Amino acid sequence: QSALTQPASVSGSPGQSITISCTGTSSDVGGYKYVSWYQQRPGKAPKLMIYEVSNRPSGLSNRFSGSKSGNTASLTISGLQAEDEADYYCSSYTGSSTVFGTGTRVTVL
Amino acid sequence: QVQLVQSGSELKKPGASVKISCKASGYTFTRNAMNWVRQAPGQGLEWMGWINTKTGNPTYVQGFTGRFVFSLDTSVSTAYLQISSLKADDTAVYYCARDGSRATFDYWGQGTLVTVSS
Repeated sequence: QSALTQPASVSGSPGQSITISCTGTSSDVGGYKYVSWYQQRPGKAPKLMIYEVSNRPSGLSNRFSGSKSGNTASLTISGLQAEDEADYYCSSYTGSSTVFGTGTRVTVL
Repeated sequence: QVQLVQSGSELKKPGASVKISCKASGYTFTRNAMNWVRQAPGQGLEWMGWINTKTGNPTYVQGFTGRFVFSLDTSVSTAYLQISSLKADDTAVYYCARDGSRATFDYWGQGTLVTVSS
């Protein structure tokens, strides 16, 4: 199973919105509603941000939102803040396994 | 609250073995599967497989068969990852992650750094 494709980096100024894409195939992203997004700050464990394409865990900021169209899922961060600077990974169920994305470094300018 | 606490960093020589623990608390251990994820230095996340905490049945991803063993001790709510015949390219941070639903890893351990060096 090949990794899902994400842009290597995305940047934005404080207050702006950014979107990170996650492209797979009909065998993973396009075939299931089980797409998740994780935030990983330097030296820390990943943290679940979005599950099942667009659901936020309890207590998570509503500045984070997820969507999917065809074989591509997206994570949007609105009202970008300095604390959002981190690596972000998508993942998808594939019917029998899980595959992660290549990861995106978000920089707040 | 749900917590996964992993054992500390390990420094091993090539050819040695290592066993990492992941102790769960704050929920019923056997209700959720446990996954293992590897992150090599400066690299992305790589799913290694999972273990059914009810039956103890492990599933390994291609590339993590043979030298990698997932196990459990349900009496102490702990999952284990053992790696044998260690090689330099096994150097990585290894995470345990609770399975919330399909491919949703809702809680993660803090990670265990395994360094393989002569």
